[in-house]
Amino acid sequence: EAQVTQNPRYLITVTGKKLTVTCSQNMNHEYMSWYRQDPGLGLRQIYYSMNVEVTDKGDVPEGYKVSRKEKRNFPLILESPSPNQTSLYFCASNKGFTDTQYFGPGTRLTVL
Amino acid sequence: GEDVEQSLFLSVREGDSSVINCTYTDSSSTYLYWYKQEPGAGLQLLTYIFSNMDMKQDQRLTVLLNKKDKHLSLRIADTQTGDSAIYFCAESMDTGKLIFGQGTTLQVKP
Repeated sequence: EAQVTQNPRYLITVTGKKLTVTCSQNMNHEYMSWYRQDPGLGLRQIYYSMNVEVTDKGDVPEGYKVSRKEKRNFPLILESPSPNQTSLYFCASNKGFTDTQYFGPGTRLTVL
Repeated sequence: GEDVEQSLFLSVREGDSSVINCTYTDSSSTYLYWYKQEPGAGLQLLTYIFSNMDMKQDQRLTVLLNKKDKHLSLRIADTQTGDSAIYFCAESMDTGKLIFGQGTTLQVKP
């Protein structure tokens, strides 16, 4: 089954404790992205990747890191999380710009 | 800078047409998209339009693009209760960067 998986689905952590949210897709897609969704602000792109070892900043990259060492995986790293990073995070992948973008189920992160 | 704006809420009666509007500021966008998000789910791509097109129709969905005014709209004909969701417009740059609007909550009353 074609899908994008994210782990964990829910996470509560404390300020400053490094965390990683994993994202994996099984569709051999070139493009992968991370978004955060906040009430009244819609989705904002954090980082995106057009292929292995190619990543670029989206709209709100501050406080986040990503890597794309393999085509299927695109982890999101928060080196020192802060409360303003409490949000709902989505990973997505697609083959090309106009192709259907498949979204993961979301990760709800709370930073205390 | 790049910005995409939408009205936050729209309420219609079942069977009526819904029109969701969106304005954007960056004239260098390549594609414009409409996504649907149902409660507790990720986003589903509904349709898209290339920036040099004026209109695109796909079954009950009609997308209109006024490039001069930087205005995009999504018309849903014969709106059903299953269309109740949040609708996001988004524009993409040729770099791959994607900018979303805040989302419009569509409420369909029986």
